[in-house]
Amino acid sequence: DIQMTQSPASLSASLEEIVTITCQASQDIGNWLAWYQQKPGKSPQLLIYGATSLADGVPSRFSGSRSGTQYSLKISRLQVEDPGIYYCLQGYSAPPTFGGGTKLELK
Amino acid sequence: EVQLQESGPGLVKPSQSLSLTCSVTGYSITSNYWGWIRKFPGNKMEWMGYISYSGSTSYNPSLKSRISITRDTSKNQFFLQLNSVTTEDTATYYCARFRDSYAHFDYWGQGVMVTVSS
Repeated sequence: DIQMTQSPASLSASLEEIVTITCQASQDIGNWLAWYQQKPGKSPQLLIYGATSLADGVPSRFSGSRSGTQYSLKISRLQVEDPGIYYCLQGYSAPPTFGGGTKLELK
Repeated sequence: EVQLQESGPGLVKPSQSLSLTCSVTGYSITSNYWGWIRKFPGNKMEWMGYISYSGSTSYNPSLKSRISITRDTSKNQFFLQLNSVTTEDTATYYCARFRDSYAHFDYWGQGVMVTVSS
């Protein structure tokens, strides 16, 4: 299975701050990467697919990028509704595998 | 709009079978792929498997001997059965639509928490 190493495991940031979360794939996965946000008691919400494509209805402050086998999710200006757990998911090779998650809190 | 809703017992005894239903509205399950994912206490997420528009299935090898995903197209529902459960199968179970373009889940159910305990 492809391993997705996500970092940091947790972070605390202030409103309007820039936040970056990364996932390192254990092998080449091309652009077959998605990002999700999960708030307490809710199901995961798709933010980014194809490594860089913004899902419908997702605010433009979220963006995805790729450098080789490292993938990043950037929140350009942290808002009060952004805390939650963020996950990456690789879909290049079966079985699809998730990163370990990043818990984002407001400072 | 596509909506998914999981249903099933919240408590299952060890060694028994876990059975869940996912009811889909706003989209036919005879299109796309439809999967099950679970989230363990401690936040680890695991893809369990999916059933395709044609009824073919794909399962996580870690579960292959215990899992079955089936469907009822007349009711627009698909089902998860996980046999011989242990306490390690305690998790929140989600059903979701799987898009094969860039292989991601776009619509998710709200999830159902299942505890395996005697």
